[in-house]
Amino acid sequence: QVQLLQSGAAVKKPGSSVRVSCKSFGDNFSSYTTNWVRLAPGQGLEWLGRITPMFGSAVYAQKFQGRVTITADESTTTAHMDLTSLRSEDTAIYYCAIRLNPSEAASIDHWGQGTLVTVSS
Amino acid sequence: YVLTQPPSVSVAPGETARITCDGNNIRSKSVHWYQQKPGQAPVVCIHYDSDRPSGIPERFSGSNSGNTATLTISRVEAGDEADYYCQVWDSTPDHVVFGGGTKLTVL
Repeated sequence: QVQLLQSGAAVKKPGSSVRVSCKSFGDNFSSYTTNWVRLAPGQGLEWLGRITPMFGSAVYAQKFQGRVTITADESTTTAHMDLTSLRSEDTAIYYCAIRLNPSEAASIDHWGQGTLVTVSS
Repeated sequence: YVLTQPPSVSVAPGETARITCDGNNIRSKSVHWYQQKPGQAPVVCIHYDSDRPSGIPERFSGSNSGNTATLTISRVEAGDEADYYCQVWDSTPDHVVFGGGTKLTVL
């Protein structure tokens, strides 16, 4: 069983950047995939990207290409999601979520508690 | 790849709720369903079209055929009131897709 603990809420100015972190408690951090998904007010779930540490590089949703960077630190079993050039529409709850099965078509099994990011001047 | 869900479904307690998820030839994909209650993270309630994860009541079932996947909740209870999302993976380009979500209201 994997437990996920995300960093705390953040308030950011438009044009700035935010980092959300996700600490994993469990075995085999390097082999499972961490996804990042957000839920904006009045909207549905939206996928930003994913990373599998043992494979190195991240995969991003086209919408966020160039604005999002996902990394993983195997020494601390922590994944990070950096989002730049923030605008008000980025106000959302950001979730990290683990897929244990190595297949990209598999379900996302475990979710963090969510991190509220508010973008406001 | 686009997944289309009805924005809302309403049913009385004890009735059956059916939530659809439309996508082009969706039968060729593995469909997963997530339940999200207010203030909580999503929880997978059906995966791989029709498999129920441990801890999910037998009242929850799923099917996938043609261009439509369906989540069925039998004998609906007040505690089932939540937003439900379908999800697939598409290879071109490599990305995860969620449906727009369906708000289930128990009357």
